[in-house]
Amino acid sequence: KNEVEQSPQNLTAQEGEFITINCSYSVGISALHWLQQHPGGGIVSLFMLSSGKKKHGRLIATINIQEKHSSLHITASHPRDSAVYICAARAVNRDDKIIFGKGTRLHILP
Amino acid sequence: DAGVIQSPRHEVTEMGQEVTLRCKPISGHNSLFWYRQTMMRGLELLIYFNNNVPIDDSGMPEDRFSAKMPNASFSTLKIQPSEPRDSAVYFCASSLRDGRGMGNQPQHFGDGTRLSIL
Repeated sequence: KNEVEQSPQNLTAQEGEFITINCSYSVGISALHWLQQHPGGGIVSLFMLSSGKKKHGRLIATINIQEKHSSLHITASHPRDSAVYICAARAVNRDDKIIFGKGTRLHILP
Repeated sequence: DAGVIQSPRHEVTEMGQEVTLRCKPISGHNSLFWYRQTMMRGLELLIYFNNNVPIDDSGMPEDRFSAKMPNASFSTLKIQPSEPRDSAVYFCASSLRDGRGMGNQPQHFGDGTRLSIL
């Protein structure tokens, strides 16, 4: 079992829909990252959080430390949101190693 | 502002050859990371530096891989000899280190080097 699990693996939705991508982890962490990788391959760091919630535009990231779970939400989704979203956990007892999820491939249809 | 700059963007070479990937971090950033991405294994951290010093190289697959950071504005990842299984996209990222470790500041990624070993 991977230490960082994402779901779903693939998601196709219509433009305007509310999107939720989930990340569960089994290690103790000090921070969790959400990354976005566009079809062209470039990677952008969206959020880094260790508690609570962060919001940037239409993107919202939440984390529940007790439940070892984080979610990334996209409101009013748009085709340009189509990308792979990657969750990455910084493990406190693993020499600060970052452990990546396999990613969620999101496709927003116009 | 210039982001993280990687070169080359693409590299195709025959197995057994030496490959050198280059990275220029964002000016002022004091942490630098090398990642590898493949279809099979996804994104993996290879090594990271703080203030030009390698901190954790446990992700480096084997002795054929080496990384250096001779100064704050330049790093290299070298593979010698290269093998077909090294084919991947290699990303470099940089960030500010806040004194608590590698993961506490957003990382800025370069566009990656797509490496193909024939």
